[in-house]
Amino acid sequence: QSVLTQPPSVSAAPGQKVTISCSGSSYNIEKEFVSWYQQLPGTAPKLLIYDNYKRPSGIPDRFSGSKSGTSASLGITGLQSGDEANYFCGAWDSSLSAVVFGGGTNLSVL
Amino acid sequence: QLQLQESGPGLVKPSETLSLTCTVSGDSINSTSYYWGWIRQPPGKGLEWIGSMYYSGSAYYNPSLKSRVTMSVDTSKNHFSLKLTSVTAADTAVYFCARVLIGSDWFDPWGQGTLVTVSS
Repeated sequence: QSVLTQPPSVSAAPGQKVTISCSGSSYNIEKEFVSWYQQLPGTAPKLLIYDNYKRPSGIPDRFSGSKSGTSASLGITGLQSGDEANYFCGAWDSSLSAVVFGGGTNLSVL
Repeated sequence: QLQLQESGPGLVKPSETLSLTCTVSGDSINSTSYYWGWIRQPPGKGLEWIGSMYYSGSAYYNPSLKSRVTMSVDTSKNHFSLKLTSVTAADTAVYFCARVLIGSDWFDPWGQGTLVTVSS
């Protein structure tokens, strides 16, 4: 049971937009920075978003992050088949004194 | 370009100690700007942070694993290591190493990961 809650799966058509949610609490998302990772099948996670909405160099602006209260969201526009992956959110949890992650959301581009 | 590579036994017996090393290339592990961390992922499941450490040796661990975890660094070899004692089947996972910017809790980049299976 993950501390951060994500939907197990989402799907959308190529070219469309999808939003992946990440729900937490006042101990993590509300007061801490959120990061997002993309894990393509059989590969290591890759940082997509850090500090709630910032993108590392090389990450296209099709990927965006936002946060409101105890929830955060990852948005992906202009969906491509190459975006099919598992997406994880992460944050520091001050009550657990640990970095915590969501269970992951599997994105299908139909 | 910074690269991290995990190495170690792929099979560990129950009750024994899991030992892994992460070799860093393209940057010095002595960097004053970064911590170095371990994260694991059981097959088909989510991510679990294990711990992070500074090149000086100071470290902080996930409280759920703290009693069994030790991290160390060897600056002469530019690598850092993980030891997890008294392993059980629940410790079977892909183990990743990664870099952490000081003052943050996000990991970038990650090593490719190594699967460790706990079985007799």
